[in-house]
Amino acid sequence: RKEVEQDPGPFNVPEGATVAFNCTYSNSASQSFFWYRQDCRKEPKLLMSVYSSGNEDGRFTAQLNRASQYISLLIRDSKLSDSATYLCVVAWTYTDKLIFGTGTRLQVFP
Amino acid sequence: DVKVTQSSRYLVKRTGEKVFLECVQDMDHENMFWYRQDPGLGLRLIYFSYDVKMKEKGDIPEGYSVSREKKERFSLILESASTNQTSMYLCASSGIQGLAKNIQYFGAGTRLSVL
Repeated sequence: RKEVEQDPGPFNVPEGATVAFNCTYSNSASQSFFWYRQDCRKEPKLLMSVYSSGNEDGRFTAQLNRASQYISLLIRDSKLSDSATYLCVVAWTYTDKLIFGTGTRLQVFP
Repeated sequence: DVKVTQSSRYLVKRTGEKVFLECVQDMDHENMFWYRQDPGLGLRLIYFSYDVKMKEKGDIPEGYSVSREKKERFSLILESASTNQTSMYLCASSGIQGLAKNIQYFGAGTRLSVL
């Protein structure tokens, strides 16, 4: 079983749609959680950290469910510029290493 | 803004050549990382360093070595390049304190082709 699993997609959605991605992780000792965004042929960039109580940044909402070991990302009112690959990322306790999922590709069309 | 700079965007090398990939960060971060990224496999950690002259193997260290002589610089070395090392190589750095702990910042990547 992969340490961090994501549906690779692609998710093809029209502008204005709401789309949600889920991610599961295998290590219950995981302590930090993030969503990164990666545009085609570019480097990953931090989109948002994920906090236990859930958090929102504009159109983006992240949720963490420790009991079920999954993380979600909700994007409301999708824009063409949201088209990218979204990487679910987990850090284990007592380590500075990050474990990356293989990413979920989102394509927003007009 | 954090800046992580990789010395080359594109490199073409021949099988058997020694290859150096350089990475410099300007945020005084303690941790630095080298990954490779391949389609369908995601980011895989090659080596990381948590201090000057310190290094630890990641998930796929075979065929690679690293050097960290200064805090801001982390080099990846392919001793004898092989075609299966054709990939995108990404360098990252992170701090160890506060809210930014564990957040990694990436360089733009080096796309290496070994012929």
